[in-house]
Amino acid sequence: KAGVTQTPRYLIKTRGQQVTLSCSPISGHRSVSWYQQTPGQGLQFLFEYFSETQRNKGNFPGRFSGRQFSNSRSEMNVSTLELGDSALYLCASSLGFGNTIYFGEGSWLTVV
Amino acid sequence: DQQVKQNSPSLSVQEGRISILNCDYTNSMFDYFLWYKKYPAEGPTFLISISSIKDKNEDGRFTVFLNKSAKHLSLHIVPSQPGDSAVYFCAAPLNNNDMRFGAGTRLTVKP
Repeated sequence: KAGVTQTPRYLIKTRGQQVTLSCSPISGHRSVSWYQQTPGQGLQFLFEYFSETQRNKGNFPGRFSGRQFSNSRSEMNVSTLELGDSALYLCASSLGFGNTIYFGEGSWLTVV
Repeated sequence: DQQVKQNSPSLSVQEGRISILNCDYTNSMFDYFLWYKKYPAEGPTFLISISSIKDKNEDGRFTVFLNKSAKHLSLHIVPSQPGDSAVYFCAAPLNNNDMRFGAGTRLTVKP
């Protein structure tokens, strides 16, 4: 079956703009989580959704937001982009807590 | 708040030898640990996991050891192959799917 799909794969934005990233989970997976990866920082948890509800949120400012639709697809939005937001944004899906999470290939965001 | 730590940013080993990647954690509530492998331009892929009720889990060339008293786990790859060259992340779920990752260790296996 298809894996986790993220779009777009690469994008360049200007400081102050906003961006929306999309994630389609593995079919049947209702949990979708988002992570930010920057060099030397590993993967930092952004938030997690299950059945359209945000269950958990990491330590990121309110400029980072997300949502999940009834088909489990998810989007994350970053408003008022800053240079430090340049990173690889990874989406992961799973059946639920205690199950292995599977990652997409990520969306590379560059803020100039 | 770095609850999962990988203190070695890189490791280089010769093909055929053993690779040992280390991970320490601070949160004693963690009861499940995972290792992910990541190639450039790809998302992390699940490699192997271990529950806190075990001290060892083996899958082919990959073995993970857990020392709960030391809050330490390690991933052994034997024998190492050039295709194993990647960044390896240690992770533990906090709650729901809030997974805490280490900073990663870049493994290079030389032919």
